[in-house]
Amino acid sequence: DQQVKQNSPSLSVQEGRISILNCDYTNSMFDYFLWYKKYPAEGPTFLISISSIKDKNEDGRFTVFLNKSAKHLSLHIVPSQPGDSAVYFCAAFDSGGSNYKLTFGKGTLLTVNP
Amino acid sequence: NAGVTQTPKFRVLKTGQSMTLLCAQDMNHEYMYWYRQDPGMGLRLIHYSVGEGTTAKGEVPDGYNVSRLKKQNFLLGLESAAPSQTSVYFCASTEGLIVGGGYEQYFGPGTRLTVT
Repeated sequence: DQQVKQNSPSLSVQEGRISILNCDYTNSMFDYFLWYKKYPAEGPTFLISISSIKDKNEDGRFTVFLNKSAKHLSLHIVPSQPGDSAVYFCAAFDSGGSNYKLTFGKGTLLTVNP
Repeated sequence: NAGVTQTPKFRVLKTGQSMTLLCAQDMNHEYMYWYRQDPGMGLRLIHYSVGEGTTAKGEVPDGYNVSRLKKQNFLLGLESAAPSQTSVYFCASTEGLIVGGGYEQYFGPGTRLTVT
């Protein structure tokens, strides 16, 4: 039972355009969401997060949108750059727990073409 | 600060051999985690620890054991390696809720393990 789903295994966009990566979740207890970026042969690095009390969080070129009623979040990258090419993982968290476990999606490979 | 480090970076084992992966963090984090990443499967939690001397099972614990004898170290052991354990292993740590921040986990660079 996959609680965090990234239904697009891959996405290809042109440099300078917008990249939109999507994530759906099923567990209504999740109240904090994170995006991680992973380059080949490196560990995942934290990118941006959002609490369920917000519907948008922005950090430079990266914006995460949360639609709680639809249990859906998306990561927007504007403008996309070739260096953004990586695997992006969506993760969710239930802050009511005591172990700070994250539940990850399977990832989306973003390729930004020059 | 080195952050989260993992030893070794690469290892090849024969079926039935044993080994220990070492994770160390210098951020004084309370919580530590071991994940495995396989193609098309994302990051799956193997075991985790909520503090020195504690361990707990994650999503895919079978075939692995862990120990957290010191706060800064989290060891992952394979007693009898199997080809199904061929994977990339990541260690992560977190302080938990950071005032003004969030619940980010910080990851190590990974260990690529091949079992033949």
